[in-house]
Amino acid sequence: GESVGLHLPTLSVQEGDNSIINCAYSNSASDYFIWYKQESGKGPQFIIDIRSNMDKRQGQRVTVLLNKTVKHLSLQIAATQPGDSAVYFCAEPHLLNTGFQKLVFGTGTRLLVSP
Amino acid sequence: EAQVTQNPRYLITVTGKKLTVTCSQNMNHEYMSWYRQDPGLGLRQIYYSMNVEVTDKGDVPEGYKVSRKEKRNFPLILESPSPNQTSLYFCASSFYPLSNQPQHFGDGTRLSIL
Repeated sequence: GESVGLHLPTLSVQEGDNSIINCAYSNSASDYFIWYKQESGKGPQFIIDIRSNMDKRQGQRVTVLLNKTVKHLSLQIAATQPGDSAVYFCAEPHLLNTGFQKLVFGTGTRLLVSP
Repeated sequence: EAQVTQNPRYLITVTGKKLTVTCSQNMNHEYMSWYRQDPGLGLRQIYYSMNVEVTDKGDVPEGYKVSRKEKRNFPLILESPSPNQTSLYFCASSFYPLSNQPQHFGDGTRLSIL
């Protein structure tokens, strides 16, 4: 498969375990956060998002937690499956000097799930 | 099916030979963007477009051109490709502002410039 990052932090878990992937953000004014999953050979795929007026949001087997005090975001995957193996990115919109926004991505974490 | 479609998926070419990577979305999104992804450097924005005929440079625009003549299409043009443009390219689209919903990505184009 294609490598999206040779020096990514890696989280290795066993199938059935719960996984927690962390992300620190820098912009205290950010009001929206997104988690993406990127499988080998594919583009980033939206998983879940959260707005800054929430601390927690749940999806199917995934939960995102937001701690604005320490500017920290986490993605929890319950009962991790081999199909969850991928690189996970957090992202947030930043406001540019032009008045437009751009999406700023974290460096990513590689999740490896062993059967 | 809502999607962002890029073509080609893979291309090997030589230095200086003009090439175009097409991107099309069927979600009526006004915002479109091109990124390149390199090992250790993550996703870097090349160009973006707020709407038809409105484009602006991202973080790494040198050596690239774009156009937005129609809302659904946002081609990436390499007028004179060089080996340092060998990379994995992604097109993305969304409604604007970005604080309301996620961007949708294509499956990528792997370019190799020899």
